[in-house]
Amino acid sequence: NAGVTQTPKFRVLKTGQSMTLLCAQDMNHEYMYWYRQDPGMGLRLIHYSVGEGTTAKGEVPDGYNVSRLKKQNFLLGLESAAPSQTSVYFCASSYQGLMSYEQYFGPGTRLTVT
Amino acid sequence: GENVEQHPSTLSVQEGDSAVIKCTYSDSASNYFPWYKQELGKRPQLIIDIRSNVGEKKDQRIAVTLNKTAKHFSLHITETQPEDSAVYFCAARANVNRGSTLGRLYFGRGTQLTVWP
Repeated sequence: NAGVTQTPKFRVLKTGQSMTLLCAQDMNHEYMYWYRQDPGMGLRLIHYSVGEGTTAKGEVPDGYNVSRLKKQNFLLGLESAAPSQTSVYFCASSYQGLMSYEQYFGPGTRLTVT
Repeated sequence: GENVEQHPSTLSVQEGDSAVIKCTYSDSASNYFPWYKQELGKRPQLIIDIRSNVGEKKDQRIAVTLNKTAKHFSLHITETQPEDSAVYFCAARANVNRGSTLGRLYFGRGTQLTVWP
């Protein structure tokens, strides 16, 4: 099993450009999440999904959109990138059964917006 | 929503000493408290967790304690080794029965632990 994978690993964008980050998981998890990590700020939730076709906002959703068209994939879109979106982005997934709430993280995407 | 605070933000210890990281949470209905370790340039990985019906859990050199009354929980690492050096995050899971929070995790800001040989 590959677990949680993210594409791409690194990306440099110019202000105003758009891009999509792809997250894929092969563990048949219902829940998927997008976080951003900035120095001293911990992991902040951008958006999450509790199942195919559903999405919900986290604590820092502005400037991002998401889609969950297939259970195994969760896409994060930046329509018009800003320097404030320079960050490391982590995707995670979890099963929400009573036995386990563990979130499994992807390797991260380092995004720089100039 | 839930608010998780973590202290200290940095911690330096000598190899062999113990390290303690503390977190507080605000929502008394939170029911699951994991700890994640993130090595430099790597992804966060779960190292230990505890549920609200348990007061203490131990796994070799690491242990977590939970005080529901005071709403705080702590990570204890004994006999620290240089490979324990990493950023540690605590988190609290919102109770799914509390409206729209849908069981999400709320993370603390992290503790950079450095273990000197």
